[in-house]
Amino acid sequence: AQKVTQAQTEISVVEKEDVTLDCVYETRDTTYYLFWYKQPPSGELVFLIRRNSFDEQNEISGRYSWNFQKSTSSFNFTITASQVVDSAVYFCGTGGANSKLTFGKGITLSVRP
Amino acid sequence: DGGITQSPKYLFRKEGQNVTLSCEQNLNHDAMYWYRQDPGQGLRLIYYSQIVNDFQKGDIAEGYSVSREKKESFPLTVTSAQKNPTAFYLCASSPQGRGYGYTFGSGTRLTVV
Repeated sequence: AQKVTQAQTEISVVEKEDVTLDCVYETRDTTYYLFWYKQPPSGELVFLIRRNSFDEQNEISGRYSWNFQKSTSSFNFTITASQVVDSAVYFCGTGGANSKLTFGKGITLSVRP
Repeated sequence: DGGITQSPKYLFRKEGQNVTLSCEQNLNHDAMYWYRQDPGQGLRLIYYSQIVNDFQKGDIAEGYSVSREKKESFPLTVTSAQKNPTAFYLCASSPQGRGYGYTFGSGTRLTVV
C-alpha cells in the first residue's frame, strides 16, 4: 500500500518570501513515481512535476525547485520569492508504473500581498 | 485541444435522487479515475478503469457506480445509498504504464439538499 503524508495543512506567507512544502511518502514498489499538483481556486488540478524513483537529481524550474531524497522518503517543493498567484492547494502524490496514484491531504498556501 | 471535460460544473439535487456526473476525454488515454474531494480530506479514490468494459473499486466506492462502455467516457452515478454526497468530484485520465501522471478535469461540485 502507498501512503503520502503532507504534515503541513495551511501555510501563510508574505509575498516574496520563500516557502517549502513538505511531502513524505511510503511505498513498497521498487520503481515508483512522485508528483506535485497545484489546485488553484478554480478547482482543476494542474500538473507541476513528475519524478521517478531512480532519478534523485533535484530540479529547478524558474521559481520552483524540488528536493527528492530517497533516504528519507521525502519529495519537498520550494517556491522562491512567492507571489499572490501561488496561492492554491498543493498535492503530493505517488504511484507505481501501472498503479493508481495516492495523494496526500494537500497543503493550502496563502500568499499575502 | 485535448483534455478532459466534466459537466456540469455545479449540480444541485434533492436527497434520495440518483445523479450522474459526466466525464469525457479526447486524449486517447486508457485509464480513467474518479476522486472525491472534501475539505481537509484530500483526494479519495472512488472508482478507476484501466480498460474499456472493466473498472475497479477505489477506497470509497460505497454508494457510487460507474460504467466504461467507451474509451472516452467514464460517467459516475451518485446513488441514494451514498450517505453524504455533497462534495467536489474530480475526474482524471492517464496513459497506461511508465508512471505517467494524471490529467484532471475541472470538477463538478455536487450539492444535495
